Amino acid sequence: ETGVTQSPTHLIKTRGQQVTLRCSSQSGHNTVSWYQQALGQGPQFIFQYYREEENGRGNFPPRFSGLQFPNYSSELNVNALELDDSALYLCASSKTSAPVAAFGPGTRLTVL
Amino acid sequence: GEDVEQSLFLSVREGDSSVINCTYTDSSSTYLYWYKQEPGAGLQLLTYIFSNMDMKQDQRLTVLLNKKDKHLSLRIADTQTGDSAIYFCAERRPGNTDKLIFGTGTRLQVFP
Repeated sequence: ETGVTQSPTHLIKTRGQQVTLRCSSQSGHNTVSWYQQALGQGPQFIFQYYREEENGRGNFPPRFSGLQFPNYSSELNVNALELDDSALYLCASSKTSAPVAAFGPGTRLTVL
Repeated sequence: GEDVEQSLFLSVREGDSSVINCTYTDSSSTYLYWYKQEPGAGLQLLTYIFSNMDMKQDQRLTVLLNKKDKHLSLRIADTQTGDSAIYFCAERRPGNTDKLIFGTGTRLQVFP
């Protein structure tokens, strides 16, 4: 069973740029969630995708957007990067309504 | 509010028991979780408990849930240096998403 994978591992961008982060779900999982973890804090829910549509969103502005593909993999896109977007971005996959989600290792984004 | 609260730091001697506490926010939360995060790594699920239970034991880990007080605790027996990490509690509220609300994390330091 392949776990959740994320790419890239690390990324450095400058303010105003755009970034795309990628996530491959664990085999058999159909739901993907994204979280932002700023340094020294707990993860914050960004949004969730099911059946290729966003079905839940946290307190993040529209410049955070996503996609889910037919194979259940997902992308997180962030436009107009700000310094405060520097964080570890975690992807989690699950079967709908299952109690446990599998987390990927994360992508560490640094915005200069 | 949405704040899941944890104490920031806990220091214990190797071989002693550790107890990490958490106060969550929503008495209707369906599942409560404990995650472990080592430096530079993603989240590792340690254990979870369904809201209609008040205790769960898994090898060295014991979870206690007090729904009336919205209090969750994680006891680690015979704490080892490899247990040094940040521990996050999380709650999952009822609804149509698998959104988790995380605490700020407790840094556990184990000394010889």
